[in-house]
Amino acid sequence: AQTVTQSQPEMSVQEAETVTLSCTYDTSENNYYLFWYKQPPSRQMILVIRQEAYKQQNATENRFSVNFQKAAKSFSLKISDSQLGDTAMYFCAFMKWNTDKLIFGTGTRLQVFP
Amino acid sequence: EAGVAQSPRYKIIEKRQSVAFWCNPISGHATLYWYQQILGQGPKLLIQFQNNGVVDDSQLPKDRFSAERLKGVDSTLKIQPAKLEDSAVYLCASSLGRLAGGRPGYRDTQYFGPGTRLTVL
Repeated sequence: AQTVTQSQPEMSVQEAETVTLSCTYDTSENNYYLFWYKQPPSRQMILVIRQEAYKQQNATENRFSVNFQKAAKSFSLKISDSQLGDTAMYFCAFMKWNTDKLIFGTGTRLQVFP
Repeated sequence: EAGVAQSPRYKIIEKRQSVAFWCNPISGHATLYWYQQILGQGPKLLIQFQNNGVVDDSQLPKDRFSAERLKGVDSTLKIQPAKLEDSAVYLCASSLGRLAGGRPGYRDTQYFGPGTRLTVL
């Protein structure tokens, strides 16, 4: 069975600084997807970034980028130039190839302060 | 484009009562999901529909939970009777549910609704 571990329950960062959220996962699969979702206090989950395991290049979306280390089964999220609106719970998620079932970690609460 | 709609946003019931949640997915989305998010945990998939058929309900406690998507559009999740441990946020999500661009194994992004917070007393 696949598991996703987020070892940082809470993080904080000052506005305009950079922060990295950690995620590790356990799987015997070779092909899969990884995601970072953001859940602001309003509760609507929003996709931040996704990575397909067969792609060696790390995904980037504006200020968000990932460091995907397949051999180490690590998938960290880097947020550059942090903004107050980045304050939220961040969930790392795993999806097996050819399925739609997301398996989430327990989340990291990120607080961005002025 | 309208997002995933859910109602009610909040519900408080006593144990052994029944409750129902409603979800309307994004227009044109064939796949619909119900997740349970217990406080302090990540969401857990309860059931997945493709149009009006069930794809995966392996984690749905079928003795008390039921879900339907009769016309392949909106969906209802019911709990009867509720237990204290059912207190959670129930999230609905939808996705287009198709293989795009001929890329093998491609999966569409899941879009989430705002959720229903259920408190069982």
